[in-house]
Amino acid sequence: GENVEQHPSTLSVQEGDSAVIKCTYSDSASNYFPWYKQELGKGPQLIIDIRSNVGEKKDQRIAVTLNKTAKHFSLHITETQPEDSAVYFCAASNNNDMRFGAGTRLTVKP
Amino acid sequence: EAEVAQSPRYKITEKSQAVAFWCDPISGHATLYWYRQILGQGPELLVQFQDESVVDDSQLPKDRFSAERLKGVDSTLKIQPAELGDSAMYLCASSLSRANTEAFFGQGTRLTVV
Repeated sequence: GENVEQHPSTLSVQEGDSAVIKCTYSDSASNYFPWYKQELGKGPQLIIDIRSNVGEKKDQRIAVTLNKTAKHFSLHITETQPEDSAVYFCAASNNNDMRFGAGTRLTVKP
Repeated sequence: EAEVAQSPRYKITEKSQAVAFWCDPISGHATLYWYRQILGQGPELLVQFQDESVVDDSQLPKDRFSAERLKGVDSTLKIQPAELGDSAMYLCASSLSRANTEAFFGQGTRLTVV
């Protein structure tokens, strides 16, 4: 089955700096890669996703890149703000199920 | 804005007791998922429904866990008997279909077994 690894487990940045979170996956059949943001006590919220026919996608300060050959994808947050502080999860999905990474706790220091 | 509804938000139960969680997916979403999230980890799939049918329950501990979605709309996840190790967040999510459409999560039920 699919195995998703996520790094780093914790990330601390200064407000205004960029943050990058990386994930690798094992199943070459995976073709959908969402990223979720989870705040304390809440369910994960989808923030951006990318499909395997696209190499990069951007939405304001958030971007995701996908390298199918290397089986890795990354989340990039620019101009970080304190409200970006949360746990971020990557996931990889084939047509059957979706597997999550272990999460990255991002702290943005004002 | 349509949301996935879950109840209760919090549940404390004694070990060996039965506990049940309820989920109402976004209207029109055929696929429903139950995930378990242990503190500090990513969500792990327990069971997946397509309409009223179970399509994946390979990770569901069937000796104590059961799930149903009788009319293909809302769903119930039950644990009987609860064990200390079941303490976790139980998340429900729904999507239009299994074919890689966005999955939307509810707020979750935080279960504490004492």
